[in-house]
Amino acid sequence: EAGVAQSPRYKIIEKRQSVAFWCNPISGHATLYWYQQILGQGPKLLIQFQNNGVVDDSQLPKDRFSAERLKGVDSTLKIQPAKLEDSAVYLCASSHAQDGYTFGSGTRLTVV
Amino acid sequence: GDSVTQMEGPVTLSEEAFLTINCTYTATGYPSLFWYVQYPGEGLQLLLKATKADDKGSNKGFEATYRKETTSFHLEKGSVQVSDSAVYFCALTRSGTYKYIFGTGTRLKVLA
Repeated sequence: EAGVAQSPRYKIIEKRQSVAFWCNPISGHATLYWYQQILGQGPKLLIQFQNNGVVDDSQLPKDRFSAERLKGVDSTLKIQPAKLEDSAVYLCASSHAQDGYTFGSGTRLTVV
Repeated sequence: GDSVTQMEGPVTLSEEAFLTINCTYTATGYPSLFWYVQYPGEGLQLLLKATKADDKGSNKGFEATYRKETTSFHLEKGSVQVSDSAVYFCALTRSGTYKYIFGTGTRLKVLA
């Protein structure tokens, strides 16, 4: 089966610019997650969707980060405006029931 | 709050050496425990898991046993290969939730 697709693979932007990441989960997976993985750290959950509803966004910096999953399939994560400390790999994952997560390859963001 | 602590890396071993990567956790109740592996340029892949005390997860020659008395889930492999070079993450989920808490990761380098 196809995995979790993410794009772009890499992005370099200047601070204060905006950026958006896209994720297409595995077909049929109702739950979708966005993680932030800063270099040298483990992934940290930013937001969890169940279909098109938000289940947990307690660690999402809502002053600059936003995410949506309008039709319960694809999702986009946006940062506006970006800060230097937002440099990280942004991982998308999806799951169905409790058969485990499947992670995408991630988008590596560099803010200069 | 819940947390996962891993031994710092990098861990550098010769091929066919014995591997241990320590992982301890803090959590209330009975979490599920996981090891994930991240190869260079790739996303996270589930390596093994254990859902209750004394369970042993195993995959690809790797093993880890859920030790509630010591709150540990150490990863072991009897004979490592160069292809095992990667970053290994220990993680937990609380019972009834899908929210992962990851350790900081341990980089393993295996030399031929």
